[in-house]
Amino acid sequence: AAGVIQSPRHLIKEKRETATLKCYPIPRHDTVYWYQQGPGQDPQFLISFYEKMQSDKGSIPDRFSAQQFSDYHSELNMSSLELGDSALYFCASSLKETQAFFGQGTRLTVV
Amino acid sequence: EDQVTQSPEALRLQEGESSSLNCSYTVSGLRGLFWYRQDPGKGPEFLFTLYSAGEEKEKERLKATLTKKESFLHITAPKPEDSATYLCAVQAGSSNTGKLIFGQGTTLQVKP
Repeated sequence: AAGVIQSPRHLIKEKRETATLKCYPIPRHDTVYWYQQGPGQDPQFLISFYEKMQSDKGSIPDRFSAQQFSDYHSELNMSSLELGDSALYFCASSLKETQAFFGQGTRLTVV
Repeated sequence: EDQVTQSPEALRLQEGESSSLNCSYTVSGLRGLFWYRQDPGKGPEFLFTLYSAGEEKEKERLKATLTKKESFLHITAPKPEDSATYLCAVQAGSSNTGKLIFGQGTTLQVKP
């Protein structure tokens, strides 16, 4: 069965650079979520989209933005990167508010 | 404030030694409680959804139960391949979306 696809799997950036993370949800899923998971931490909700419209927003820094495109894929854009942004970033998708299925994540390292 | 607390933080079991993981929650109207398994460096893998007190779900050696204040994940006769972090998460009534509030997880190690 198709799963949530994230790219890239690993990303190394320098401080103050910009990063773009991509997410391809499970086909026919209408909701996409982004989570950030720091080392030894639980996933923290960043932002979500329902039918390409932003539906909820969590503790997402102003330096981050996201959008969902007409083909339902989503991108998380992160600017002015800081060392503290180093984390695993997960995308998840669901059909409305049923169980969310997570991708394998993008490991971002800021040096 | 909506909150999820898992205990213990870490659990070591011998193969075949059954035990339970606890997830306590305080939320403004529970819409759903979810259990996930996470292996190091990988995405959470969905296990169960529970919606109402008294509900139970089973899958292989795992059984999840739900009361009005907490959920338990029972592991019967665990095997080394059950070693992972188990995450509990809730959807709260304070949100009109499906976002999840996670607990800190229980890291389970099963020794042969």
